[in-house]
This record gives sequence, C-alpha cells and structure tokens, in this order.
Amino acid sequence: KAGVTQTPRYLIKTRGQQVTLSCSPISGHRSVSWYQQTPGQGLQFLFEYFSETQRNKGNFPGRFSGRQFSNSRSEMNVSTLELGDSALYLCASSLKRASGYNEQFFGPGTRLTVL
Amino acid sequence: GDSVTQMEGPVTLSEEAFLTINCTYTATGYPSLFWYVQYPGEGLQLLLKATKADDKGSNKGFEATYRKETTSFHLEKGSVQVSDSAVYFCASEGTGFQKLVFGTGTRLLVSP
Repeated sequence: KAGVTQTPRYLIKTRGQQVTLSCSPISGHRSVSWYQQTPGQGLQFLFEYFSETQRNKGNFPGRFSGRQFSNSRSEMNVSTLELGDSALYLCASSLKRASGYNEQFFGPGTRLTVL
Repeated sequence: GDSVTQMEGPVTLSEEAFLTINCTYTATGYPSLFWYVQYPGEGLQLLLKATKADDKGSNKGFEATYRKETTSFHLEKGSVQVSDSAVYFCASEGTGFQKLVFGTGTRLLVSP
C-alpha cells in the first residue's frame, strides 16, 4: 500500500506570494493532519480534516488555511507569505476508529523556502 | 496547556553504547505517548507508543515505559548502532482530534 504523498517536495516563493501544498493520504484513510516544522518552533500542529470538515485547529494566523476533498486528499494554503513561513510542512493521515486517538502516518514533507 | 519536554542534543555515542533520551509531559488526564524518529530528508516514522500508565512500548530494540507518577516516557536502547543516527521526537496526544504535541527533538549521532 502506498504511503502518504506530498507535492511538491520543494518550493521557493517570495514574500507576499501565496502557496498551495497538496497531500494524498494512504488509501482508506479519511483523516488528514498538517504540521509545520521549523528549527525555532519545532513541530507544531496546524489543523486536521475529516470528511471534508476541519475538526481541530492549532494556533496559527488566518493566513494558514486548508481543505479536504471528497477523495480525502487535502490541500493547505498560505497567503501573503512571510520569511518566517519557511519550514518543512508535514502531512499525516490516519484511519477513523470508533473512539480515541488514531495512529498517524506521516509523509516526507514539503520544504517551503520564502525569500 | 499540553507540552512535552525532552533533553537537548546532540547525543553522541559510540556503537554498542547504552542510550537514554529523557522525555516528560504535562497534560490533562492520561494521553497516549509516542516516540517518532526522523531520518535526514524524510518525514516522521512512529517508533513506539504507549496508551496507558505502566504500558511499555517497544520496537527495534528501543523501549519506553509510561510513568504517570513522574509524567515521563524516557526512550532507551541497550546497544545503539550507527544506523540509529537520527532525530528522535517525543510526543503526546493533544487536545481535540488527532493533535500531537511534540518535544523539540533530540539528535542522536552514533559513531563506529
């Protein structure tokens, strides 16, 4: 079974631009979460989607948004890019079980550089 | 709020040495706890987990025990290999759906 895939793997943008990152979950997984990894702040939770609905959100400004499609693929968008948005963006998918936490499987990430 | 604290790195060891990476957490209740490993240029891989107090997670020679008395989940391995060189992240289940709270990561360097 194929793992979580993220595209593109590398991206260079300039300040003020916007960017869209894509994540395809493992087949059958309906939950997708996004994380930002930076040297200064470490790994931080952005948001989680399930059945096209955002169920949880981290403490990030409104410039960061996401969505999920009916096939469970997800995109995240960052508008008005700032230098501090340079990071590795990780996507993770999981199955939905009856209750409790569901193990997350991570993709390789998209490395975003803002100049 | 929820947080995870783990020891600063890098941790430098010789092959076959004993490894301990300390991790403590603060949370409401008893969250599931995890250790993830990240190899250069890759995403995170789940190394082991424990879902309740006194559980011991183990995988590939690594072990960690969920200690609620000390709110700790220290990672140990009896004999490290060069191939274990990576960054290790301790994480706890956060508030709400599918949120993980991560520590800052500990880089492990193992020399032959």
